[in-house]
Amino acid sequence: AQKITQTQPGMFVQEKEAVTLDCTYDTSDPSYGLFWYKQPSSGEMIFLIYQGSYDQQNATEGRYSLNFQKARKSANLVISASQLGDSAMYFCAMREGPYSSASKIIFGSGTRLSIRP
Amino acid sequence: DADVTQTPRNRITKTGKRIMLECSQTKGHDRMYWYRQDPGLGLRLIYYSFDVKDINKGEISDGYSVSRQAQAKFSLSLESAIPNQTALYFCATSDQGAFDLANTGELFFGEGSRLTVL
Repeated sequence: AQKITQTQPGMFVQEKEAVTLDCTYDTSDPSYGLFWYKQPSSGEMIFLIYQGSYDQQNATEGRYSLNFQKARKSANLVISASQLGDSAMYFCAMREGPYSSASKIIFGSGTRLSIRP
Repeated sequence: DADVTQTPRNRITKTGKRIMLECSQTKGHDRMYWYRQDPGLGLRLIYYSFDVKDINKGEISDGYSVSRQAQAKFSLSLESAIPNQTALYFCATSDQGAFDLANTGELFFGEGSRLTVL
């Protein structure tokens, strides 16, 4: 069954340090997609990065990168050089099946990241 | 104007009342979703729809119903609200884009509807 697990309810990181947010997933479908979203205190959901199961390289978007380890079924988000504005809730999500398929997207429970000045 | 609009943004109601949360989108997407967010539980899928005639139950559909009035509109109803339905509700859309390799199928969210059931 499709499942997403985020085991870190909260994290504190010093400004300018790199941070890794953990995400593991479970699926029996060889085709799937993984997403990370950011939710600042204002409440909106912001899409950060996407990784397809067949993508050859780990996804990167500016200071965000996704450490995709397919055999371990993990898709950790790495934020380099953290900034105060990175303080937020972060959600990992998964779509089982290719994006053209009729498949739902489910979310993990989230990690609250707090950046210390 | 936002691409995905939810109304109302905030609502306080009493146990037993019927509540409708509305979602409309201008993105032209076929797929629409309703999620609820609770502290410590993340976002849980209530219902999702891939076109006007295709509606599916999500993880927590009990106590909820939906209506897809048009491609652009997807409403969530609580027929008889109860306090444990107090939550932040999000509507989201995504694009099927079958032949667009650049399409990740990511979700585009509305701003959320905060519902309190007393």
